[in-house]
Amino acid sequence: DGGITQSPKYLFRKEGQNVTLSCEQNLNHDAMYWYRQDPGQGLRLIYYSQIVNDFQKGDIAEGYSVSREKKESFPLTVTSAQKNPTAFYLCASSMRGSGANVLTFGAGSRLTVL
Amino acid sequence: DAKTTQPPSMDCAEGRAANLPCNHSTISGNEYVYWYRQIHSQGPQYIIHGLKNNETNEMASLIITEDRKSSTLILPHATLRDTAVYYCIVRAHRDDKIIFGKGTRLHILP
Repeated sequence: DGGITQSPKYLFRKEGQNVTLSCEQNLNHDAMYWYRQDPGQGLRLIYYSQIVNDFQKGDIAEGYSVSREKKESFPLTVTSAQKNPTAFYLCASSMRGSGANVLTFGAGSRLTVL
Repeated sequence: DAKTTQPPSMDCAEGRAANLPCNHSTISGNEYVYWYRQIHSQGPQYIIHGLKNNETNEMASLIITEDRKSSTLILPHATLRDTAVYYCIVRAHRDDKIIFGKGTRLHILP
């Protein structure tokens, strides 16, 4: 079945460590997204990518980095510069082009900094 | 900032219709209205979208006002499984910076 796979589902990290969250899609979607969600809050956009080898900062990009070397993959690195990284991270993808383009989300990765 | 405004929470009795409003007064002509919902600790799920006309699918109905400045998502017979946060967003087909607001937390009361 087509979809988006995020891994790991749960991740624990010590302060000062970088951690990379994986996002893979087999939907042949052009655009991919990373959102952060804090308890009781909505989704905030971290980074997004429209095509391979290109990406743009969202509203809260500081302390994060991404790459888009392959169409199906959009990993997110939470660096030690991110001051409050404990959160639920959601990856999504979408077609681009004319008409309506629905976002498909992964199941999320929950990061806890110890 | 999000282009939509939604009430933070709503209650609905089980079996009744749940009507969730969304204000998008600055919507432009090429922007669609989309609704998603997020059940606790899961990824959001697409529900429905529309441009001008009212839409219905197996999950819900979407009513868009004639001036397109607001819309209502209708869950015709709410069940406990419809308890979730519902997000309304607007997006043009070439718009890749997709911003979510805080959504409406819908509580279905038994």
